Amino acid sequence: EVQLVESGGDLVQPGGSLRLSCTASGFTFNTYSMNWVRQAPGRGLEWISYISSGSTTKYYGDSVKGRFTVSRDNAKNSLYLQLDGLRAEDTAIYYCARRTWFDSWGQGTLVTVSS
Amino acid sequence: QAVVTQEPSLTVSPGGTVTLTCDSTTGAVTSDHHCSWFQQKPGQAPRTLIYDTNNRYSWTPARFSGSLLGGKAALTLSGAQPEDEAEYYCLLSYSGTYWVFGGGTKLTVL
Repeated sequence: EVQLVESGGDLVQPGGSLRLSCTASGFTFNTYSMNWVRQAPGRGLEWISYISSGSTTKYYGDSVKGRFTVSRDNAKNSLYLQLDGLRAEDTAIYYCARRTWFDSWGQGTLVTVSS
Repeated sequence: QAVVTQEPSLTVSPGGTVTLTCDSTTGAVTSDHHCSWFQQKPGQAPRTLIYDTNNRYSWTPARFSGSLLGGKAALTLSGAQPEDEAEYYCLLSYSGTYWVFGGGTKLTVL
């Protein structure tokens, strides 16, 4: 069974940093591209980042470009998102989702940016 | 960057049929946008229903179908059930370099 489990969400002050993790199981992680998607409270879904299976290609949404960095460690079946320069509008549940079909999702981890 | 629009809300009667649409500000939605559709219920993560315009997953009820309709992507629900009440999101791919979700359609089964 495919499983994705996010972790690392927390309360952080504006301008702060955080590193999110997504641990995968039930499939051959190193053969799949991955994405990060977020959802602000009461709002819709927003795609924020993509990384290819071998980390050679990375894409970001305009709202996070230059502030967030996606990476992965295939030996650890893990996907990461480094969040720097956090703003109040980054407050959201952050999900990881598998491949360009977004066929499997984790349950999400909550990031709250507030002083 | 593109903006993807959906109907904010729709209502369907139990057993009825409803079509949700997904439009792009960049022009007609085509198979090259590889549209996906997601269902999300309150407090839950999204669940993928349709991928690449018209393909169901093994877990997708047969009453859901995807298509292209009049320059938009469409999700048709035939024979609505009470458990289909949820928020529905479409997702379009733009040259495989960025993806944009629609704003979501709140579907009421009443």
